[in-house]
Amino acid sequence: QVQLQQWGAGLLKPSETLSLTCDVSGGSFSGHYWHWIRQPPGTGLEWIGEISQGGSTIYNPSLKSRAIMSVDTSKNHFSLNVKSVTAADTAVYYCARGSSSGDYPDVFDIWGQGTLVTVSS
Amino acid sequence: SYELTQPPSLSVSPGHTATISCSGDEVGSKYISWYQQKPGQPPVLVIYQDSRRPPGIPERFSGSNSGNTATLTISATQTVDEADYYCQAWDSSTAVFGIGTKVTVL
Repeated sequence: QVQLQQWGAGLLKPSETLSLTCDVSGGSFSGHYWHWIRQPPGTGLEWIGEISQGGSTIYNPSLKSRAIMSVDTSKNHFSLNVKSVTAADTAVYYCARGSSSGDYPDVFDIWGQGTLVTVSS
Repeated sequence: SYELTQPPSLSVSPGHTATISCSGDEVGSKYISWYQQKPGQPPVLVIYQDSRRPPGIPERFSGSNSGNTATLTISATQTVDEADYYCQAWDSSTAVFGIGTKVTVL
């Protein structure tokens, strides 16, 4: 059974860089897109972006080019960096697996446990 | 940017039917997924491709999508169904979520 285990620093100061990694275990890394999604306290979900096994990325324009994703297939993990964070970046960050069939769009069928990242001076 | 509109909350009595709407411009032309989220937990996929249930999701969860409204229906609602529900679509290669609907079962 595929599991996603995420880790990274939970407390940052403004202007620092957020860095999270998501380990994929129990299944194939290939054939899927891998996503990051965040949830500010008490609010809804915001998609950050996706990365393929080959490293192709698409980002949500709302992050204004501050997000960078990378993938390391030898270690079966993918990562998220968000630079120049502010208090508005405080959120629970989730990694998720995207699965699709045929021409249908991805659905987020497996999620990591979530990491609370707090930005505070 | 594309927007999906959901009611913030709704209440339903146990055993009754809960209907959650998700409105958007020509949303019927997109595939909608629905996610259930309980406090302190990551979301769980309950409906995809408008009306398909993943393995392990009870049959009381169903979905439809037409025109400008997609709908998640929970039949014979149980107390374990109390949660936040989010609809989600793809627009211009970007995933978009609704604001979520808090379903209270009482």
